[in-house]
Amino acid sequence: GENVEQHPSTLSVQEGDSAVIKCTYSDSASNYFPWYKQELGKRPQLIIDIRSNVGEKKDQRIAVTLNKTAKHFSLHITETQPEDSAVYFCAVSDSWGKFQFGAGTQVVVTP
Amino acid sequence: EAGVVQSPRYKIIEKKQPVAFWCNPISGHNTLYWYRQNLGQGPELLIRYENEEAVDDSQLPKDRFSAERLKGVDSTLKIQPAELGDSAVYLCASSLHRLAERTDTQYFGPGTRLTVL
Repeated sequence: GENVEQHPSTLSVQEGDSAVIKCTYSDSASNYFPWYKQELGKRPQLIIDIRSNVGEKKDQRIAVTLNKTAKHFSLHITETQPEDSAVYFCAVSDSWGKFQFGAGTQVVVTP
Repeated sequence: EAGVVQSPRYKIIEKKQPVAFWCNPISGHNTLYWYRQNLGQGPELLIRYENEEAVDDSQLPKDRFSAERLKGVDSTLKIQPAELGDSAVYLCASSLHRLAERTDTQYFGPGTRLTVL
């Protein structure tokens, strides 16, 4: 089955700096790669996603890059703000709709 | 448009008691997921429905857990009897999935926080 590894498990950054989280996966049939943000006590919220036919996608301060050959994808947050503090999860899915999640990254943005 | 609805939001029970969770997905979404999320971890799939059919229940502990989605819309997840290790947040999610085609975005409900004493 699919195996998703996410690093780092915790990330502390100064406000205004960039944050990068990386996920690797094992199943080459995976073709959909969403990222979720989860604040304490809240539901996971989709923040950006990318499909296998695209190498990079950007939405304001957030971007995702995908390297299908190496089977890894990364979340990039630029100009971090205190409200970016949360747990971020990557996920991987195939055409059959089965999702596998990473273990999460606790991001702390300090003013 | 209403999002995924779950109830109850919180539940505290003693071990060996039964408990049930309810989920109503986004209107028109044919795929429904139940996940368990332990503290500090990512969601782990328990069961996935395509309409009323359970297409993936390999991770569901069938000795004590059961689920149903009788009319292909809302769903219930039951634990009987509950154990201490079942304490977690139970998340429901839904998506519009077209078989063998692209997977669409999965939306989560607020979850039910279960505490087993």
